[in-house]
Amino acid sequence: QVQLVQSGAEMKKPGASVKVSCKTSGYTFTTFDINWVRQAAGQGLEWMGWMDPKSGNADFAQKFLGRVTMTRDTSINTAYLELSSLRSEDAAVYFCARALPAQGANHYFDYWGQGTLVAVSS
Amino acid sequence: DIQMTQSPSSLSASVGDRVTITCRASQRISTYLNWYQQKPREAPKVLIYAASSLQSGVPSRFSGTGSGTEFSLTISSLQPEDFATYYCQQTYSTPWTFGQGTKVEIK
Repeated sequence: QVQLVQSGAEMKKPGASVKVSCKTSGYTFTTFDINWVRQAAGQGLEWMGWMDPKSGNADFAQKFLGRVTMTRDTSINTAYLELSSLRSEDAAVYFCARALPAQGANHYFDYWGQGTLVAVSS
Repeated sequence: DIQMTQSPSSLSASVGDRVTITCRASQRISTYLNWYQQKPREAPKVLIYAASSLQSGVPSRFSGTGSGTEFSLTISSLQPEDFATYYCQQTYSTPWTFGQGTKVEIK
């Protein structure tokens, strides 16, 4: 069965970087894009960007440009999100999600990781 | 960026009620609209994709309609396990934005 398993909670100081992993199984890793979505406590969902695991190409929301890196290791079917220059507003649960194409260019997120809590505090 | 606006932000309903949540896009997005359900401390779960297609395994009491800028999610007969927060999401153009969410609570 398809699974996305994320790394554990992180506590970081402002200005530091965090790297979250998303290990996939149950399907061919390079077939579907991986997206990253975050959710601050009590808030809604915020899309951060996507990565094509086959090519490594990625696209990010403008607000994260210069601070976010999305990479992958195809040998272990794992995607990574790295966010640098952390500030208090980056404290959130970070989710990875598989994007399934449907009906042309539409995509939807059919499988999600369990989420990784990133706390930012001095 | 395409803004997605849901209404209402929250609602109270009873088991068995028919519930409708609406989602409006700031520009036309064809049917590139998905609906998710999220329960506390869980990842979101897709219910409807491409505006009206029911995801496999999702009960048929959930349905979606709309195209262009106006969309709706209907739960035909609310069940106890349906009390959750619901989000719409557009995947017409990046950034793939979500609505602010609609919390469905027990009356």
